[in-house]
Amino acid sequence: GAGVSQTPSNKVTEKGKYVELRCDPISGHTALYWYRQSLGQGPEFLIYFQGTGAADDSGLPNDRFFAVRPEGSVSTLKIQRTERGDSAVYLCASSLIPTRLSSYNEQFFGPGTRLTVL
Amino acid sequence: KQEVTQIPAALSVPEGENLVLNCSFTDSAIYNLQWFRQDPGKGLTSLLLIQSSQREQTSGRLNASLDKSSGRSTLYIAASQPGDSATYLCAVSGSARQLTFGSGTQLTVLP
Repeated sequence: GAGVSQTPSNKVTEKGKYVELRCDPISGHTALYWYRQSLGQGPEFLIYFQGTGAADDSGLPNDRFFAVRPEGSVSTLKIQRTERGDSAVYLCASSLIPTRLSSYNEQFFGPGTRLTVL
Repeated sequence: KQEVTQIPAALSVPEGENLVLNCSFTDSAIYNLQWFRQDPGKGLTSLLLIQSSQREQTSGRLNASLDKSSGRSTLYIAASQPGDSATYLCAVSGSARQLTFGSGTQLTVLP
């Protein structure tokens, strides 16, 4: 596709429910990132995939959060037993091979999924 | 731990003015710095990327500079227009690859 796409655009759920958020990166981008943005703040890193594997999941807040990228393209962020504090905009980004001396690590963002936990 | 600060948090200017947005970061060991624009309720649009070996990048009316040693970057917007109204975010990446963001500057350009 032309850009990073995310579905759904909005998700309203009740406390304690399970949700899945989907990200479809730019074709050919091997790196994929998930961020979370609270109102009035900049995005905060959650997890980074290089291909199919999670290269860095240090930003996941706790074990209720999990993400997969089984075929190295589409990724799903999964949140179990949602809490009201999980309400935020979840952003996905992708890039080419991130290297030190290359602009290939320019990240391109999707429109985000706004998650509201009631 | 890298920290990114953006000043001011909000800025309101009349149309046609030139303006400067500031970004500072605490760890100078960065790979690159990106400036983004975010419109209300939307995702992030990449404006400029400056690699660690570069001093500045230009795109149209936008010019971004980078001073790695002092941990500073500026985004210069020439001849501002109402359509420039948005939140501008600065972000740096290091060896960990992910971006660390500032909280943004909310810009309003008054017609």
